[in-house]
Amino acid sequence: EVQLVESGGGLVKPGASLKLSCVASGFTFSDYWMSWVRQTPGKTMEWIGDIKYDGSYTNYAPSLKNRFTISRDNAKSTLYLQMSNVRSEDTATYYCTRVVYVMDAWGQGASVTVSS
Amino acid sequence: DIQMTQSPPSLSASLGDKVTITCQASQNINKYIAWYQQKPGKAPGLLIHYTSTLVSGIPSRFSGSGSGRDYSFSISNVESEDIASYYCLQYDNSPWTFGGGTKLELK
Repeated sequence: EVQLVESGGGLVKPGASLKLSCVASGFTFSDYWMSWVRQTPGKTMEWIGDIKYDGSYTNYAPSLKNRFTISRDNAKSTLYLQMSNVRSEDTATYYCTRVVYVMDAWGQGASVTVSS
Repeated sequence: DIQMTQSPPSLSASLGDKVTITCQASQNINKYIAWYQQKPGKAPGLLIHYTSTLVSGIPSRFSGSGSGRDYSFSISNVESEDIASYYCLQYDNSPWTFGGGTKLELK
């Protein structure tokens, strides 16, 4: 069974940094592109970006590429999202997803609240 | 970025009804549209990709169609377990973009 489990969310102050993790199981992690998607409290869905199976290529939503970094450790079957200089509008649930042409499996999400 | 205009934002249906949701892209997306179902408190689940390809295990009462800029998603014979929100996603061009969602409720 494919499982994606995010962690690292919580309450963070504006301007701070936060790193989310996603541990994958049930499939060969190093064979798949992976991505991050977020959903705001108003339920708007936003694709953040993705990363090639070997970590050699990343692609981001233009509005986020200067503050967000996606990386992976295939030895640990773990995907990461480094968020820097966070803003109130980054408050959202962050989902880790596996990509097979399209996002076909999702984690349960990690909640991030940006507030002073 | 490609804009996905999804309608209606909400939909009220009776059990057994057929409902249809539409998504219009701001440009041709070459049938690269997927549809997701999200139940309260849960992550989205993939139902359909490439316009009309049903994911394994998804009931045949779910269907999709369209081309160019205009796409639709239908549920025939709505069941109580179908009460959820539905989202379209275009994955033809980066950045991938979602529609605003449709909340399906029981009448």
